Amino acid sequence: SQQGEEDPQALSIQEGENATMNCSYKTSINNLQWYRQNSGRGLVHLILIRSNEREKHSGRLRVTLDTSKKSSSLLITASRAADTASYFCATVKTGANNLFFGTGTRLTVIP
Amino acid sequence: DTAVSQTPKYLVTQMGNDKSIKCEQNLGHDTMYWYKQDSKKFLKIMFSYNNKELIINETVPNRFSPKSPDKAHLNLHINSLELGDSAVYFCASSQDATGAGEQYFGPGTRLTVT
Repeated sequence: SQQGEEDPQALSIQEGENATMNCSYKTSINNLQWYRQNSGRGLVHLILIRSNEREKHSGRLRVTLDTSKKSSSLLITASRAADTASYFCATVKTGANNLFFGTGTRLTVIP
Repeated sequence: DTAVSQTPKYLVTQMGNDKSIKCEQNLGHDTMYWYKQDSKKFLKIMFSYNNKELIINETVPNRFSPKSPDKAHLNLHINSLELGDSAVYFCASSQDATGAGEQYFGPGTRLTVT
């Protein structure tokens, strides 16, 4: 079964607003990663947060990780139309050596 | 320059045929992967190769056979194609041999079996 599930499945916001996506997973992890997929394209790595980290920033992205709740959130601030894409969380289980992807959140940013 | 490339981008074929998808990376990575993304956008690992050796072989039918002629290439050969094989197949690579690091994805190959 899949490791992660994103919430919400779809999100529509106005340009300039913030977008928050959540990811829950089931087992202990080594790290958690967020990827973006534009329609018809491959996935692009956004950010990696290790299990001993609680928060990480990269430009307009802010990722938090709560290992006690087995959850992570991705915040995109001051969204742009170009942020329209599907966002996936992926986990590396403790002792494993590959990524397990979640179900994705489809983000639409309306200009 | 494209970091991870796949050919073809689209592949339409009939049931029972055999087809191959090629993948090349110019990043100098030792580890390459094949993923399958279904119609619901769920992405699942199929195979992982490190320096031409098979590391991961998830529950994938024997009709799927990866081949790595060198560490820059990981091709996917599919025998006796079935309707359920229709999906988008992504190749990826990573510098991290443990599979725990950042992965770089190709643009995908959309396979349609009729």
